[in-house]
Amino acid sequence: GEDVEQSLFLSVREGDSSVINCTYTDSSSTYLYWYKQEPGAGLQLLTYIFSNMDMKQDQRLTVLLNKKDKHLSLRIADTQTGDSAIYFCAENLAGANNLFFGTGTRLTVIP
Amino acid sequence: DTAVSQTPKYLVTQMGNDKSIKCEQNLGHDTMYWYKQDSKKFLKIMFSYNNKELIINETVPNRFSPKSPDKAHLNLHINSLELGDSAVYFCASNLRGTDYNEQFFGPGTRLTVL
Repeated sequence: GEDVEQSLFLSVREGDSSVINCTYTDSSSTYLYWYKQEPGAGLQLLTYIFSNMDMKQDQRLTVLLNKKDKHLSLRIADTQTGDSAIYFCAENLAGANNLFFGTGTRLTVIP
Repeated sequence: DTAVSQTPKYLVTQMGNDKSIKCEQNLGHDTMYWYKQDSKKFLKIMFSYNNKELIINETVPNRFSPKSPDKAHLNLHINSLELGDSAVYFCASNLRGTDYNEQFFGPGTRLTVL
Protein backbone atom coordinates (compact mmCIF):
# COMPACT_ATOMS: atom_id res chain seq x y z
CA GLY A 1 0.00 0.00 0.00
CA GLU A 2 2.93 2.36 0.20
CA ASP A 3 3.75 2.62 -3.50
CA VAL A 4 1.01 4.82 -4.84
CA GLU A 5 2.34 6.84 -7.75
CA GLN A 6 1.18 9.92 -9.59
CA SER A 7 2.66 12.36 -12.06
CA LEU A 8 3.95 15.35 -10.12
CA PHE A 9 2.73 18.17 -12.37
CA LEU A 10 -0.09 18.90 -14.80
CA SER A 11 -0.93 22.17 -16.56
CA VAL A 12 -4.15 22.78 -18.46
CA ARG A 13 -5.93 25.77 -19.95
CA GLU A 14 -9.09 27.03 -18.33
CA GLY A 15 -12.11 25.32 -19.85
CA ASP A 16 -10.20 22.21 -20.90
CA SER A 17 -10.48 18.82 -19.21
CA SER A 18 -7.83 17.63 -16.76
CA VAL A 19 -6.96 14.00 -16.24
CA ILE A 20 -4.93 13.03 -13.21
CA ASN A 21 -3.64 9.47 -13.04
CA CYS A 22 -2.69 7.24 -10.17
CA THR A 23 -1.17 3.77 -9.99
CA TYR A 24 -1.50 1.78 -6.80
CA THR A 25 -0.04 -1.58 -5.86
CA ASP A 26 -2.33 -3.15 -3.27
CA SER A 27 -5.26 -5.03 -4.76
CA SER A 28 -6.92 -5.45 -1.35
CA SER A 29 -7.95 -1.79 -1.22
CA THR A 30 -11.63 -1.44 -0.44
CA TYR A 31 -11.97 2.24 -1.27
CA LEU A 32 -9.92 4.62 -3.35
CA TYR A 33 -10.11 8.35 -2.88
CA TRP A 34 -9.22 11.65 -4.43
CA TYR A 35 -8.29 14.45 -2.04
CA LYS A 36 -7.63 18.09 -2.93
CA GLN A 37 -5.13 20.30 -1.11
CA GLU A 38 -5.27 24.02 -1.76
CA PRO A 39 -2.21 26.16 -0.89
CA GLY A 40 -1.66 26.42 2.85
CA ALA A 41 -4.68 24.28 3.64
CA GLY A 42 -5.53 20.78 4.76
CA LEU A 43 -6.89 18.00 2.60
CA GLN A 44 -10.47 17.85 1.46
CA LEU A 45 -12.16 14.74 0.15
CA LEU A 46 -13.32 15.33 -3.43
CA THR A 47 -14.69 11.95 -4.28
CA TYR A 48 -14.19 8.24 -3.70
CA ILE A 49 -14.92 4.96 -5.45
CA PHE A 50 -15.61 1.54 -4.04
CA SER A 51 -13.30 -1.14 -5.34
CA ASN A 52 -16.05 -3.11 -7.09
CA MET A 53 -16.98 -0.13 -9.27
CA ASP A 54 -15.44 0.87 -12.60
CA MET A 55 -16.65 4.42 -12.82
CA LYS A 56 -18.22 7.12 -10.75
CA GLN A 57 -19.45 10.50 -11.92
CA ASP A 58 -20.10 13.46 -9.67
CA GLN A 59 -20.88 16.73 -11.50
CA ARG A 60 -17.61 17.80 -13.17
CA LEU A 61 -15.67 14.89 -11.72
CA THR A 62 -15.35 11.43 -13.26
CA VAL A 63 -13.41 8.68 -11.54
CA LEU A 64 -12.30 5.62 -13.49
CA LEU A 65 -10.95 2.51 -11.82
CA ASN A 66 -9.14 -0.27 -13.65
CA LYS A 67 -8.54 -2.95 -11.03
CA LYS A 68 -6.69 -5.25 -13.39
CA ASP A 69 -4.06 -2.59 -14.04
CA LYS A 70 -4.40 -1.02 -10.56
CA HIS A 71 -5.00 2.32 -12.21
CA LEU A 72 -7.20 5.13 -10.95
CA SER A 73 -7.91 8.38 -12.74
CA LEU A 74 -9.72 11.61 -12.00
CA ARG A 75 -11.13 13.66 -14.83
CA ILE A 76 -12.18 17.24 -14.17
CA ALA A 77 -14.37 18.67 -16.91
CA ASP A 78 -14.33 22.38 -17.75
CA THR A 79 -11.35 23.03 -15.46
CA GLN A 80 -11.46 26.36 -13.66
CA THR A 81 -8.71 28.45 -12.05
CA GLY A 82 -10.17 27.49 -8.66
CA ASP A 83 -9.27 23.89 -9.43
CA SER A 84 -5.56 24.73 -9.15
CA ALA A 85 -4.33 22.65 -6.23
CA ILE A 86 -2.50 19.45 -5.40
CA TYR A 87 -4.55 16.30 -5.93
CA PHE A 88 -3.80 13.14 -3.99
CA CYS A 89 -5.11 9.71 -4.67
CA ALA A 90 -5.31 7.48 -1.61
CA GLU A 91 -6.19 3.91 -0.81
CA ASN A 92 -7.74 2.40 2.26
CA LEU A 93 -6.54 -1.17 2.68
CA ALA A 94 -8.89 -3.89 3.83
CA GLY A 95 -8.64 -4.18 7.61
CA ALA A 96 -6.75 -0.92 8.02
CA ASN A 97 -8.10 2.51 8.82
CA ASN A 98 -5.33 4.79 7.73
CA LEU A 99 -4.85 6.03 4.21
CA PHE A 100 -1.87 5.51 1.94
CA PHE A 101 -1.43 8.55 -0.23
CA GLY A 102 0.00 8.97 -3.67
CA THR A 103 2.79 11.41 -4.33
CA GLY A 104 0.34 14.15 -5.30
CA THR A 105 -0.18 15.95 -8.64
CA ARG A 106 0.08 19.70 -8.72
CA LEU A 107 -2.56 20.96 -11.16
CA THR A 108 -2.03 24.43 -12.58
CA VAL A 109 -4.88 25.99 -14.54
CA ILE A 110 -3.80 28.67 -16.99
CA PRO A 111 -6.38 31.42 -17.59
CA ASP B 1 -16.89 25.71 14.31
CA THR B 2 -17.14 22.03 13.61
CA ALA B 3 -14.24 20.09 12.29
CA VAL B 4 -10.71 19.13 13.12
CA SER B 5 -8.58 21.89 14.57
CA GLN B 6 -4.86 22.02 15.28
CA THR B 7 -2.69 24.37 17.28
CA PRO B 8 -0.40 26.00 16.63
CA LYS B 9 -0.61 26.67 12.92
CA TYR B 10 3.08 27.53 12.79
CA LEU B 11 5.84 26.38 15.11
CA VAL B 12 9.46 27.49 14.85
CA THR B 13 11.91 26.02 17.32
CA GLN B 14 15.53 25.10 17.87
CA MET B 15 17.08 21.67 17.45
CA GLY B 16 17.03 19.64 20.62
CA ASN B 17 13.85 21.20 22.01
CA ASP B 18 10.72 19.28 22.99
CA LYS B 19 7.42 20.47 21.55
CA SER B 20 3.78 19.45 21.33
CA ILE B 21 1.14 19.95 18.66
CA LYS B 22 -2.49 19.72 19.70
CA CYS B 23 -5.42 18.33 17.77
CA GLU B 24 -9.09 18.40 18.60
CA GLN B 25 -12.13 17.13 16.74
CA ASN B 26 -15.75 17.85 17.62
CA LEU B 27 -17.24 15.46 15.08
CA GLY B 28 -17.83 12.62 17.51
CA HIS B 29 -15.27 10.45 15.74
CA ASP B 30 -13.60 7.55 17.47
CA THR B 31 -10.36 7.32 15.53
CA MET B 32 -7.69 9.97 15.08
CA TYR B 33 -4.52 10.08 13.01
CA TRP B 34 -1.32 11.99 12.54
CA TYR B 35 0.20 12.37 9.09
CA LYS B 36 3.48 14.01 8.09
CA GLN B 37 3.85 15.96 4.85
CA ASP B 38 7.43 16.65 3.84
CA SER B 39 8.82 19.44 1.69
CA LYS B 40 8.05 17.47 -1.49
CA LYS B 41 4.42 17.19 -0.38
CA PHE B 42 4.65 13.44 0.27
CA LEU B 43 2.11 12.43 2.92
CA LYS B 44 2.72 9.50 5.24
CA ILE B 45 0.78 8.05 8.13
CA MET B 46 2.50 8.30 11.50
CA PHE B 47 -0.09 7.02 13.97
CA SER B 48 -3.67 5.95 14.20
CA TYR B 49 -5.40 5.79 17.57
CA ASN B 50 -8.90 4.93 18.76
CA ASN B 51 -8.75 4.79 22.55
CA LYS B 52 -8.08 1.11 22.60
CA GLU B 53 -5.54 0.66 19.93
CA LEU B 54 -2.48 2.64 18.93
CA ILE B 55 -0.98 1.70 15.63
CA ILE B 56 2.43 3.14 14.94
CA ASN B 57 4.11 3.34 11.59
CA GLU B 58 7.35 1.51 12.23
CA THR B 59 9.35 4.17 10.42
CA VAL B 60 8.40 6.85 12.98
CA PRO B 61 11.22 7.54 15.47
CA ASN B 62 10.33 6.94 19.11
CA ARG B 63 10.99 10.64 19.77
CA PHE B 64 7.43 11.07 18.50
CA SER B 65 4.65 10.07 20.85
CA PRO B 66 0.90 10.58 20.57
CA LYS B 67 -1.01 11.46 23.70
CA SER B 68 -4.78 11.24 23.93
CA PRO B 69 -6.43 12.73 27.03
CA ASP B 70 -9.86 11.82 25.64
CA LYS B 71 -11.59 10.69 22.46
CA ALA B 72 -11.75 14.19 21.03
CA HIS B 73 -8.04 14.96 21.35
CA LEU B 74 -4.85 13.46 20.01
CA ASN B 75 -1.75 15.50 20.69
CA LEU B 76 1.66 14.87 19.18
CA HIS B 77 4.68 15.26 21.41
CA ILE B 78 8.14 15.40 19.89
CA ASN B 79 11.33 15.09 21.93
CA SER B 80 14.80 16.26 20.92
CA LEU B 81 13.71 17.89 17.69
CA GLU B 82 15.92 17.40 14.65
CA LEU B 83 16.24 19.37 11.41
CA GLY B 84 14.60 16.52 9.50
CA ASP B 85 11.45 16.89 11.59
CA SER B 86 10.64 20.09 9.71
CA ALA B 87 7.39 19.36 7.87
CA VAL B 88 3.68 20.00 7.94
CA TYR B 89 1.85 17.73 10.36
CA PHE B 90 -1.80 16.95 9.72
CA CYS B 91 -4.25 15.55 12.18
CA ALA B 92 -7.30 13.66 10.86
CA SER B 93 -10.24 11.79 12.29
CA ASN B 94 -13.06 9.49 11.27
CA LEU B 95 -15.67 7.12 12.61
CA ARG B 96 -14.73 3.49 12.15
CA GLY B 97 -17.08 1.35 10.15
CA THR B 98 -18.96 4.18 8.49
CA ASP B 99 -19.65 4.21 4.81
CA TYR B 100 -16.48 4.83 2.76
CA ASN B 101 -14.46 5.72 5.89
CA GLU B 102 -13.97 9.38 5.01
CA GLN B 103 -11.23 11.05 7.00
CA PHE B 104 -11.51 14.71 7.94
CA PHE B 105 -8.29 16.67 8.07
CA GLY B 106 -7.13 19.56 10.18
CA PRO B 107 -5.50 22.62 8.58
CA GLY B 108 -1.99 21.43 9.43
CA THR B 109 0.85 22.63 11.63
CA ARG B 110 3.98 23.80 9.87
CA LEU B 111 6.95 22.87 12.04
CA THR B 112 10.31 24.48 11.30
CA VAL B 113 13.35 23.26 13.21
CA LEU B 114 16.37 25.58 13.10
